[in-house]
Amino acid sequence: DTGVSQNPRHKITKRGQNVTFRCDPISEHNRLYWYRQTLGQGPEFLTYFQNEAQLEKSRLLSDRFSAERPKGSFSTLEIQRTEQGDSAMYLCASSRPIGARDTQYFGPGTRLTVL
Amino acid sequence: RKEVEQDPGPFNVPEGATVAFNCTYSNSASQSFFWYRQDCRKEPKLLMSVYSSGNEDGRFTAQLNRASQYISLLIRDSKLSDSATYLCVVNGVGYSGGGADGLTFGKGTHLIIQP
Repeated sequence: DTGVSQNPRHKITKRGQNVTFRCDPISEHNRLYWYRQTLGQGPEFLTYFQNEAQLEKSRLLSDRFSAERPKGSFSTLEIQRTEQGDSAMYLCASSRPIGARDTQYFGPGTRLTVL
Repeated sequence: RKEVEQDPGPFNVPEGATVAFNCTYSNSASQSFFWYRQDCRKEPKLLMSVYSSGNEDGRFTAQLNRASQYISLLIRDSKLSDSATYLCVVNGVGYSGGGADGLTFGKGTHLIIQP
């Protein structure tokens, strides 16, 4: 399978704990994006990387959230001191822009439940 | 005003019928437009990009009206397998930091095809 992969697929944690998610993009895709989706809403942009550089962060990305892509391949998203409001599906997408065209392909997501 | 607005539905449509969705976007600087499809508890999957001249892919036709800032999706001869949530997606809206590469999603339109 050469699509975007995410691990774990499900995570249940207690409030106040730290969690880390991993995303492996499609090979040779230089852009990697993180989104969050809650029930009944569309995905909301969190942040994105071009190669290893984090180029943009949404105002949704509080200081408890940090993302890395140290070698320009896989990425991790860490949430510190989780809150119940962090419960959501965390989606990763990757792309390789060609000219003005930048089509993003999504992974299956990590579903986080904070108790 | 929401950045991307869609009628959430649900649209209940008999098999074989034609159904159309519209969506409006608020930022006239938006550059790229897409329709994604999302099945229950799955990741969004690209259905089609939307071009200024309009484009067709089999039973699906997408159109863009930049002057009125709306995007449409037409599904002809609907199949049971078309039942899903259809997400209107806009790129180039911009976030803090001035970048414009994260996608902005509508909440989605829920379509149910009935036998």
